[in-house]
Amino acid sequence: QSALTQPASVSASPGQSITISCTGTSSDIGSYNYVSWYQQYPGKAPKLMIYDVSNRPSGVSDRFSGSKSGNTASLIISGLQAEDEADYFCSSYATSSTPYVVFGGGTKLTVL
Amino acid sequence: QVQLQESGPGLVKPSETLSLTCTVSGGSVSGSFWTWIRQPPGKGLEWIGYVYYGGSRNYNPSVKSRVTISADTSTNQVSLKLKSVIPADTAVYYCARGFGGYVSVDSWGQGTLVAVSS
Repeated sequence: QSALTQPASVSASPGQSITISCTGTSSDIGSYNYVSWYQQYPGKAPKLMIYDVSNRPSGVSDRFSGSKSGNTASLIISGLQAEDEADYFCSSYATSSTPYVVFGGGTKLTVL
Repeated sequence: QVQLQESGPGLVKPSETLSLTCTVSGGSVSGSFWTWIRQPPGKGLEWIGYVYYGGSRNYNPSVKSRVTISADTSTNQVSLKLKSVIPADTAVYYCARGFGGYVSVDSWGQGTLVAVSS
């Protein structure tokens, strides 16, 4: 069971927009609309930012959005702020011999 | 709001069983999916598995032969047992509540670091 593929790092200046990609296969992202995104600060537990590809839980800023095309999901953050600097992880429902959840390796976002 | 607190030994010897408990407060174990997720130091997240209070459960194929997750409605706790541990099982272990199922999780414990070493 391979992890989903994310870029190790992305960076941008305040006010700009960034996209973090998350690439899987037809056994996970490509076949199911169950992609989630989490934000994690150092030493803290992750926080759910996006679920079911493009839905935001209550309280999450609308600067965060999600999409999917084929085997690749994307997290888009607009109007970057210093507080957005964190690690971001994607996850997806997946199937092999049994259904399970697979995570991406994580992307470090640096706000310059 | 629900709060989760993991507890258990911080050090386990190789080949032994790792046992952790997640105490749920501000909510009930009943009616929710409960998930364990781990994160090796400096690395990414790995989904271990889930249990539903009604008894259904499923595990990551990578650990399925070694893991058991249970929910106890009488104590309002969720437990994780991972047997025959190896140093690669060293990680911060998180307990988390499912959000509308078990694929997404919206409430997390603070996590507990478990080291596997002799």
